[in-house]
Amino acid sequence: EAQVTQNPRYLITVTGKKLTVTCSQNMNHEYMSWYRQDPGLGLRQIYYSMNVEVTDKGDVPEGYKVSRKEKRNFPLILESPSPNQTSLYFCASSLSPVFAEAFFGQGTRLTVV
Amino acid sequence: GNSVTQMEGPVTLSEEAFLTINCTYTATGYPSLFWYVQYPGEGLQLLLKATKADDKGSNKGFEATYRKETTSFHLEKGSVQVSDSAVYFCALSDRGEGGNTPLVFGKGTRLSVIA
Repeated sequence: EAQVTQNPRYLITVTGKKLTVTCSQNMNHEYMSWYRQDPGLGLRQIYYSMNVEVTDKGDVPEGYKVSRKEKRNFPLILESPSPNQTSLYFCASSLSPVFAEAFFGQGTRLTVV
Repeated sequence: GNSVTQMEGPVTLSEEAFLTINCTYTATGYPSLFWYVQYPGEGLQLLLKATKADDKGSNKGFEATYRKETTSFHLEKGSVQVSDSAVYFCALSDRGEGGNTPLVFGKGTRLSVIA
């Protein structure tokens, strides 16, 4: 089954404690991205990756890092989480960076206290 | 820059009512337009799309027509069901600098259908 898998689904952490949210896709997609969803703001792109070892900032990259060492995996790293990073996070992948359908993971609800 | 504006929710309808969710866009190029749906506790999934002017996307009884003259892509369904209760996002995709085409989303419209 074609899918994007994120882990964990729920996470509560404390300010400053480094964390990683994993994302894996099994569709051999080149393009992957991370979004955060906040009430009243919709979805905003954090980072994206056009292919292995190619990543770039989206609209709200501050406080986040990503890596793309393998095509299937695109982890999101918060080196020093802060309460304003409390949000619902989605990983997405698509076959092509242009006009292709995006497949989303089920989301990771992160709370930073 | 590119942007999407969709009607504020929540929208509450009775079963079998007609649904319209308005969506207008601003784009610098020739975007593709999408409607995504998010059911409770799940990620977004593509509902329908249209890639050029006058195209009509359709799926599961939902329809939307790409209107270039009015820069709109309104979502419609003739008879909603309780199972259609979800959050609906209008989005566009356009080629940006360096080839990135971040999906630009509207803020979402929550639909509740009551029996």
